[in-house]
Amino acid sequence: DAGVIQSPRHEVTEMGQEVTLRCKPISGHNSLFWYRQTMMRGLELLIYFNNNVPIDDSGMPEDRFSAKMPNASFSTLKIQPSEPRDSAVYFCASSTGLEQYFGPGTRLTVT
Amino acid sequence: QQQVKQSPQSLIVQKGGISIINCAYENTAFDYFPWYQQFPGKGPALLIAIRPDVSEKKEGRFTISFNKSAKQFSLHIMDSQPGDSATYFCAATHSGTYKYIFGTGTRLKVLA
Repeated sequence: DAGVIQSPRHEVTEMGQEVTLRCKPISGHNSLFWYRQTMMRGLELLIYFNNNVPIDDSGMPEDRFSAKMPNASFSTLKIQPSEPRDSAVYFCASSTGLEQYFGPGTRLTVT
Repeated sequence: QQQVKQSPQSLIVQKGGISIINCAYENTAFDYFPWYQQFPGKGPALLIAIRPDVSEKKEGRFTISFNKSAKQFSLHIMDSQPGDSATYFCAATHSGTYKYIFGTGTRLKVLA
């Protein structure tokens, strides 16, 4: 069975541009999580969905960040406009309960 | 009260030795404690997890020890191998929220 799929794996963009990160959770999983990982702040939960509904978005840093989950098999995290401080690795994880399974991540570089 | 404190930040162990990583939490509502292993360029992978109703859980060379009264738990890697060299994260959550609080990570290097 395929794990969590994320795309793109790497993204380089210029400051001010819109960035969209994509995630396909494991089939049958009803919870989806977006994390950001940096050296300074470690792994931070940005937002999580349960049954496609956003449950907790308290970790979303600012209004420039938005996330959607239009159906059970797809989610997006959008940054508009992007800034250099958004450079990080963004992970998506999914679960059916307590065990979360992470995707390979998207390394975002904003110049 | 939501923090999970992890130590040490980095660890160097000889091949065949025991690696020990410690975590402490404050929120007594936490009731699930997983450990994740992350290799460079990869996502974190679930290694082993424990509930507070047991004091120890073992899976192969990996053991979690849990001390509920001290609000501490630790990962022991027996017979450490160079292939175990990775960053390890502890985490804690309350089963009502599924929201993980991660430790800051421990970078383990096992010397051949």
